[in-house]
Amino acid sequence: GESVGLHLPTLSVQEGDNSIINCAYSNSASDYFIWYKQESGKGPQFIIDIRSNMDKRQGQRVTVLLNKTVKHLSLQIAATQPGDSAVYFCAENGGTGFQKLVFGTGTRLLVSP
Amino acid sequence: EAGVAQSPRYKIIEKRQSVAFWCNPISGHATLYWYQQILGQGPKLLIQFQNNGVVDDSQLPKDRFSAERLKGVDSTLKIQPAKLEDSAVYLCASSTYRGLAYEQYFGPGTRLTVT
Repeated sequence: GESVGLHLPTLSVQEGDNSIINCAYSNSASDYFIWYKQESGKGPQFIIDIRSNMDKRQGQRVTVLLNKTVKHLSLQIAATQPGDSAVYFCAENGGTGFQKLVFGTGTRLLVSP
Repeated sequence: EAGVAQSPRYKIIEKRQSVAFWCNPISGHATLYWYQQILGQGPKLLIQFQNNGVVDDSQLPKDRFSAERLKGVDSTLKIQPAKLEDSAVYLCASSTYRGLAYEQYFGPGTRLTVT
């Protein structure tokens, strides 16, 4: 079936750098996307979401960019901190409304002090 | 606001045994989800409830997995009999409308090891 995938399994950055985590999706029917952060031993935590009628959405230190032409999603984290170290998942709704999500496999972000 | 509660946090069983997981969602959240997360992968939806009714159980292996949400509040997920490939973290989530859409709040999960 169609799935959401990630380009990089692990991303290592220095504290203070900006981080960019990428995600490719294949279901053209998806019109809602979310980024989640999962720390070890915890459940995923909502970071930011975006609908397909948007190209960009900003939160606190995070920005999500959506390129529907190439089916690409990215999460930008400004001034990355050690507390940002976690696995990041993108998820899509497959055009099924806003309650059913398909998750990608995740990217691990490692932040060095 | 209290988060999604799950128990137990860890469970080790032998194959062919049965196991049950419990979830208490955030108060007032009508929608409840169970996900299976195998190590190194993203969560996979097993079943979705709206109040006490099943909305989607298309990915639930119904020959061995069952779930219920009798009073539209807490929920149990059961596996009987367990197989080695059931080793995973079982996540419960509940959702409410916020911002652009329904935001799912996840519990800490139950880590199941089948030996």
